[in-house]
Parts: sequence; C-alpha cells; structure tokens
Amino acid sequence: KQEVTQIPAALSVPEGENLVLNCSFTDSAIYNLQWFRQDPGKGLTSLLLIQSSQREQTSGRLNASLDKSSGRSTLYIAASQPGDSATYLCAANYGGSQGNLIFGKGTKLSVKP
Amino acid sequence: DAGVTQSPTHLIKTRGQQVTLRCSPKSGHDTVSWYQQALGQGPQFIFQYYEEEERQRGNFPDRFSGHQFPNYSSELNVNALLLGDSALYLCASSLYNNEQFFGPGTRLTVL
Repeated sequence: KQEVTQIPAALSVPEGENLVLNCSFTDSAIYNLQWFRQDPGKGLTSLLLIQSSQREQTSGRLNASLDKSSGRSTLYIAASQPGDSATYLCAANYGGSQGNLIFGKGTKLSVKP
Repeated sequence: DAGVTQSPTHLIKTRGQQVTLRCSPKSGHDTVSWYQQALGQGPQFIFQYYEEEERQRGNFPDRFSGHQFPNYSSELNVNALLLGDSALYLCASSLYNNEQFFGPGTRLTVL
C-alpha cells in the first residue's frame, strides 16, 4: 500500500531558526512529490514540486530534497519567521502526468517571536 | 489570473440530504480533482475529471458523484449525507505536469 508519513506531527521553534520537516513514502516508484502549506481552515498553497528526476528544488527560503532510494523528502526552511506558522503537507504522486496525490497528515509548525 | 475558486465557502446540511459543491479551475487547466479533508488529517482523493469524464476514483462510495463541464468547471455531488461526511472539500486543478493547485475549499457540516 502506498503511504506517506510525516514526522513530527507538530514542531515549535524560536524565530530565526533553520528547520527541517520530514516526509517519508513507502513506494520508491514516485512520479513527483509536492509540498504544500495550509493555514487553519484554508486551502492548500503549493510550495515546491519535485519531479522524480530531480534531487532538489528551491524557492526563496525554502529548499526541498527528494531521495527515492531511501523513500524520503525534506523541506528545509531557512531563518524561520512567525509568518511561517502553518501546517506543512507533503504529497506523493505515483500515477504519472495526471496522477492523484497521496498526502501525509502534515506537520504543524509554530514559530515563536 | 484567477486561481482555483470554489463555492459555497460554508454549508450546513442535515443527515440524508444531498449537496452540490462547485469548482472553477485555474485558467488553462483541464483536469479537476476533488479531495476530502477531515479535521487533523491529510486530504483524501475522491475522484478526478478530464475531458468531462471521471478518469480516476479513490475509495469513496457511489454516494459521491461528479461532473465536469465543457469549460472545465466541475461539481461534486454527495447524496444521503452522513455525519461522517462533515469535512473540508478541496478542489484542485492541474495541467500535464501535474503540479496541482488547490482552491480555498468548502466546509461542509452535516448535523
């Protein structure tokens, strides 16, 4: 069964700290992996998309990596800010160019001023 | 450029009723997917529409049905509502590279 796991479920850090969020997936035959941000009661905002042929993607203070052999992806957030507080979800696509996403339960991040 | 839009924002229904949720995809996108997100959980895939046909379906009963129109907009219908159908319903649109863009969601409460 294809599953996605995110640990920890919650994380609290002081402002300015660099942090890493973890995502693991059971099937290495992944097509791509997408990281999202979700604010309470809101929809999902796409942060980064990594294709299976890529090792990492960067956008501003965010860097996402993908290691298919170990079944892991990480989202690195540099110099965290209180505005980064949200739930971060990773989702794996195994179905190709029009596949559906399999989500983890997310990591709830709190950045304290 | 408008992103993915969904209506209504919130909805309250009673058990046994039927509900219709609506989604307009991001401009230029031809594929619409629907997800259900229960409180504290990750979204679960319901189904996907492309060229007005259901292309893929997740593990949801037949009470969940949908439709895609020629302009690529989509509807999600749920019949015989149960308390357990209370959730945030998310619509996502995509194009060939499958980066999915989500709408703000519809919060459905079943009493």
